[in-house]
Formats: sequence, C-alpha cells, structure tokens
Amino acid sequence: GENVEQHPSTLSVQEGDSAVIKCTYSDSASNYFPWYKQELGKRPQLIIDIRSNVGEKKDQRIAVTLNKTAKHFSLHITETQPEDSAVYFCAAPYTGNQFYFGTGTSLTVIP
Amino acid sequence: NAGVMQNPRHLVRRRGQEARLRCSPVKGHSHVYWYRQLPEEGLKFMVYLQKENIIDESGMPKERFSAEFPKEGPSILRIQQVVRGDSAAYFCASTDSSGNTIYFGEGSWLTVV
Repeated sequence: GENVEQHPSTLSVQEGDSAVIKCTYSDSASNYFPWYKQELGKRPQLIIDIRSNVGEKKDQRIAVTLNKTAKHFSLHITETQPEDSAVYFCAAPYTGNQFYFGTGTSLTVIP
Repeated sequence: NAGVMQNPRHLVRRRGQEARLRCSPVKGHSHVYWYRQLPEEGLKFMVYLQKENIIDESGMPKERFSAEFPKEGPSILRIQQVVRGDSAAYFCASTDSSGNTIYFGEGSWLTVV
C-alpha cells in the first residue's frame, strides 16, 4: 500500500505564529491530497485538499503546497489561533481510491 | 443531506463477546472504508469495500475481524471474541465512485472490559 510519512508528530506554536506540517508519500500515481483536522473525541474533518495539477492552494489562513517530483506536500497555517489546536492528518490515495493516512501531528497553539 | 452515519456511537463488550459496528455511507456513495484509531494514535486503514465486494482488506487482522457491505443496508464491521486490545475508535468513511473527498462518520467507540 501507500507509505505516508508525516512530520512533526507534535508541534507547539505561539498564538499568531505560523505552523507547518509536512508529509511524504510513495505512490507516484497519487493525484489527490487531503488534510484533515481532528479535535479530541470527534471525527476527522476535511479542511483543505489539493490535486496534482496545481502546486499550491489557499483558503484564508490555511494553505497546502505540493511537490510531485519530490513526492511531498505541506500544510501551512498562518496567524494561528487557540482553536487551531487539534490533531492534523494528511492522506494520499493508493491505486486511486484507497486512502492511507499519516500518523498525525498534534498541534498546540499557546495563547 | 445526511453524512456518514455510524452506530452505535459507544459500545461496551466483555472479553469473548462479539461487537457489530454499522455504517451507512453518504447517500449515493458506493465506497466504504473502515479505520481503527487507538487512543492518541493515527488512523489505521483496515478495509475498503464497494457494494457486495471487499476490495482491500490488507489492514484487517486475519482472525476475528470481518466486514461486509451488502447490496441493501449498511456496511458492518464485525469483531468476534473481542479482547482488550480491540478497544479503540472505529471510523467509517465513504467516497463516491470518483474516489475524491473521503467523508468520515462520527466513529464508534468500542470498550472491552
């Protein structure tokens, strides 16, 4: 299956600073890369995704960048707020429809 | 516009009993996935199903675990003879035939006592 690696596993930032989470994947045929946010005791929720025909996508304070050659993609959160504190997961598909997830990054935003 | 529905949300079983977790995908979605999440850990892929077919069960333990997605009705993840190590959150997710945008249910929290 797909091998998705995610770093760092934990991340603490001061409120207002930026946070960056990186993922690498192994299947060069992967063409869709979503990011999920999971708050404690809740389900993962899609926050942003990117397809392989673009290199960057932004949605307000959240952006995702993709480097297909290097097979890595990153989540960028700017002007972080306490409510951004959660676990973030990246994912990549394998053989089209099977999704494998990274191990997660626990983000803490310190007020 | 109902999302992915899972039940029960919480289930307590004694060691040796059976656990059945149900998942109804988003209306119109024909692809269902089951993931297991241990406390403070990531989402581990278990099985990928389409209607009446198991596409990939490489993440599911060979013994005691089974999954189905019948032509009619919800997908079911069945765990026989549960052990304490089966205690986890089990998330179901679904996509449409394009495979884009995977939506998660609220999860079923299994506790084995």
